[in-house]
Amino acid sequence: DADVTQTPRNRITKTGKRIMLECSQTKGHDRMYWYRQDPGLGLRLIYYSFDVKDINKGEISDGYSVSRQAQAKFSLSLESAIPNQTALYFCATSEQGGTEAFFGQGTRLTVV
Amino acid sequence: AQKVTQAQTEISVVEKEDVTLDCVYETRDTTYYLFWYKQPPSGELVFLIRRNSFDEQNEISGRYSWNFQKSTSSFNFTITASQVVDSAVYFCALSVGDSNYQLIWGAGTKLIIKP
Repeated sequence: DADVTQTPRNRITKTGKRIMLECSQTKGHDRMYWYRQDPGLGLRLIYYSFDVKDINKGEISDGYSVSRQAQAKFSLSLESAIPNQTALYFCATSEQGGTEAFFGQGTRLTVV
Repeated sequence: AQKVTQAQTEISVVEKEDVTLDCVYETRDTTYYLFWYKQPPSGELVFLIRRNSFDEQNEISGRYSWNFQKSTSSFNFTITASQVVDSAVYFCALSVGDSNYQLIWGAGTKLIIKP
């Protein structure tokens, strides 16, 4: 099994719908992250969490919310999906600042 | 502010050629970390290397090598004797303390190795 697992892997949803992307990890790391990847823009940070009670906005948090249900679980929600949220979403974990980040396989989200 | 620039959007070479991917970073912090990740066509992100700001020693791992030069704020990646399996998007990233060590990503360089 993968160290960082994202579900679903692919999702097509309609504009205005609420959708949740889930992430779970077996690395035992406190730090978890949600990134969005768009062609030609690299990865951009949406939210990050340093522990269950510590959640922070990233560069592009508008239109998104997160929940850290446990050390191992970090979910990303789109409250009302819009087409420009169509992207590849990655969850990641790291042991501490400055160390290697471990990524999930990605979730390809299409909003129509 | 921190920034990572990968000026090469796409590079195409013939198999067995050597190829260098450029990465230029900006930060005022004296303690920082630099990374390279590979994203093959299957989409996952594969960690390649991490280097801290106090270690300018170049590194070689098989056909891969990295040249870190603080004087030019560059952390370039060279693939020697490229192979078709090296075709991927390669990302350079920066992590600094005053941004809580978040990863700041370059836009990526798409590398195409032709047989």
